[in-house]
Amino acid sequence: DSGVTQTPKHLITATGQRVTLRCSPRSGDLSVYWYQQSLDQGLQFLIQYYNGEERAKGNILERFSAQQFPDLHSELNLSSLELGDSALYFCASSYRSGGADIYNEQFFGPGTRLTVL
Amino acid sequence: AQKVTQAQTEISVVEKEDVTLDCVYETRDTTYYLFWYKQPPSGELVFLIRRNSFDEQNEISGRYSWNFQKSTSSFNFTITASQVVDSAVYFCALSDTIQGAQKLVFGQGTRLTINP
Repeated sequence: DSGVTQTPKHLITATGQRVTLRCSPRSGDLSVYWYQQSLDQGLQFLIQYYNGEERAKGNILERFSAQQFPDLHSELNLSSLELGDSALYFCASSYRSGGADIYNEQFFGPGTRLTVL
Repeated sequence: AQKVTQAQTEISVVEKEDVTLDCVYETRDTTYYLFWYKQPPSGELVFLIRRNSFDEQNEISGRYSWNFQKSTSSFNFTITASQVVDSAVYFCALSDTIQGAQKLVFGQGTRLTINP
């Protein structure tokens, strides 16, 4: 158990809908990362938050957004869902934000499997 | 750009055989970190190791060992005396720093099947 929790574990919804995925980082970790794992794209970085602020963006669609709350939990919002959004969405956490001299390992949650029908 | 290549898509061996998973990377950075993660059939990603670019010593942890060679930009992972429980998809990852923030760039993964 990594200490990172994600809910829900599975989510089935229809095209055009909106869903929210939730993540609680390990105790003491300030950084939260979201990744998408799909068969065609593999594991792709979406976005990072550090202590409530957005720090980095990757291949995140405009239909997707995220935030990190004062208690450090994070939510990933996916809207106007399409069939291609079906994937496993991982949240990860680490203690620090970054910097070239220190790069902490990221601990991953169990993932939320999203199925868009 | 940062890139990780795991050329072996799938490997299948019989239990107790040794197996090596290859990882080759490309990076623009002089300081970087490399990682291996395991994804068992249950789906979660399990952290195995982190190695920084200044430390080229090989590392051993039980039946697992890692060989980092900067000259060939490789960070290979060997499982000795494999067991059925080692069956999983293994990902090699490389650090990428964007404006001081961090992300991981993953390879496509190697699906390892250990047959009894």
